[in-house]
Amino acid sequence: GNSVTQMEGPVTLSEEAFLTINCTYTATGYPSLFWYVQYPGEGLQLLLKATKADDKGSNKGFEATYRKETTSFHLEKGSVQVSDSAVYFCALRISSGSARQLTFGSGTQLTVLP
Amino acid sequence: EAGVTQSPTHLIKTRGQQATLRCSPISGHTSVYWYQQALGLGLQFLLWYDEGEERNRGNFPPRFSGRQFPNYSSELNVNALELEDSALYLCASSRTGAPDYGYTFGSGTRLTVV
Repeated sequence: GNSVTQMEGPVTLSEEAFLTINCTYTATGYPSLFWYVQYPGEGLQLLLKATKADDKGSNKGFEATYRKETTSFHLEKGSVQVSDSAVYFCALRISSGSARQLTFGSGTQLTVLP
Repeated sequence: EAGVTQSPTHLIKTRGQQATLRCSPISGHTSVYWYQQALGLGLQFLLWYDEGEERNRGNFPPRFSGRQFPNYSSELNVNALELEDSALYLCASSRTGAPDYGYTFGSGTRLTVV
C-alpha cells in the first residue's frame, strides 16, 4: 500500500536557523508529492508540490525536491521565522485506482523561537 | 472564490448519539474527501466522494458514513458516537482526475463526545 514516513517531532529552532524535515514514501506507481502546513486552529494549506522525479517545489522560502531514487521529499528552508511555527505534513497521491486520495504522514510540529 | 466551508465549527454530543457534519466544496470541484484528525495524531482518511458516488473509504467502522449531493456538497454521519470519535474532522475538495492538484481544505469541525 501507499504510505508516508515523516520525521518525528517536535522540532524547536531559533529564528534564522536552517530547517530540514525528512519525508520518505512508499507507493505503487508514480505519486505526486505534497507538503501541507497547518497553523494553530486552522485547516491544512498546500505549501508546495512536485509531480514527477527531480521536480523541485518551492513556496515562501520552502523547498522540496522529488527524489525517486531515494523515495524522498525532504522539506527545507534556509532561514526560519517565528511565523513558520506550525505543523507540517508530507503527503502523496497516486494517479490511478481507487486509492487516489491523499495519504499523509504523521505531521511534524515546528516551533521557532525569537 | 469561496473556499471549502464546513459546518458546524464545533459540535458537542453525548456518547451513543449521532453527529452530522457538512461540507461545501469550492465551485467546480467535484471530489470531496473527509479526514479525521484526532489529538496528537495525523490525518486518517475516512471517505472520498466523487460525482455523487463513494469512491473509497478508509479503515473505519460502518457507523461512519456519508453522502454527496447533486451540488457536490457532502455530509458525514457518525452513528453511535464513542468517546474516541472526539477529533477534528476535515473536509477537502479537488477537481476530479487531476492527481497533481492538491486539495483545498476547510477549517474543520471539532467534534467532542462526552
